[in-house]
Amino acid sequence: DTEVTQTPKHLVMGMTNKKSLKCEQHMGHRAMYWYKQKAKKPPELMFVYSYEKLSINESVPSRFSPECPNSSLLNLHLHALQPEDSALYLCASSQDEGVGANVLTFGAGSRLTVL
Amino acid sequence: GQNIDQPTEMTATEGAIVQINCTYQTSGFNGLFWYQQHAGEAPTFLSYNVLDGLEEKGRFSSFLSRSKGYSYLLLKELQMKDSASYLCAVRDSNYQLIWGAGTKLIIKP
Repeated sequence: DTEVTQTPKHLVMGMTNKKSLKCEQHMGHRAMYWYKQKAKKPPELMFVYSYEKLSINESVPSRFSPECPNSSLLNLHLHALQPEDSALYLCASSQDEGVGANVLTFGAGSRLTVL
Repeated sequence: GQNIDQPTEMTATEGAIVQINCTYQTSGFNGLFWYQQHAGEAPTFLSYNVLDGLEEKGRFSSFLSRSKGYSYLLLKELQMKDSASYLCAVRDSNYQLIWGAGTKLIIKP
């Protein structure tokens, strides 16, 4: 299995809703990432989990809350989002975090629209 | 600051060759990656360079010159399915990936 699976593919939510994005990989990778990508822009790193511990939080607003229940799963809990948070949210994984030849495998993304 | 420059958009003809350049200024260097991203889809890994020189992988090749802070991605025998954005990313001294804004490649018949 060489895939990263993300659900849902599309999500529309109001500013008062609470929802979650889910990500799963079974490649034995020990690092997992959340990226946010706006149209025609490169991915922006949000969070990195290494060995199930949060290792990087790129000053992301608290309305985004990551969770790593185990080494295969990564969630992103969403609450009180703003319309400007509408974007493609990409999950990725890699063998490890602090290694040079560390190739990221991305999931297909969850396209989020906040009304 | 850290900076990666790529052309915003390029156009090429089916069957031809195109070279996409990337220049970088980062705090340290631990490798350079090229990713392909079709519209609305996730990026997929194309190549990795850490030493100077050319890495060839089928129709795609990637070149690196660390002294010049320069890389290029060479695509040969272009096919319509190669229409996509190509992202250059550099891993810095903290092993963080710094991404370029991407080059949108348009292939015409």
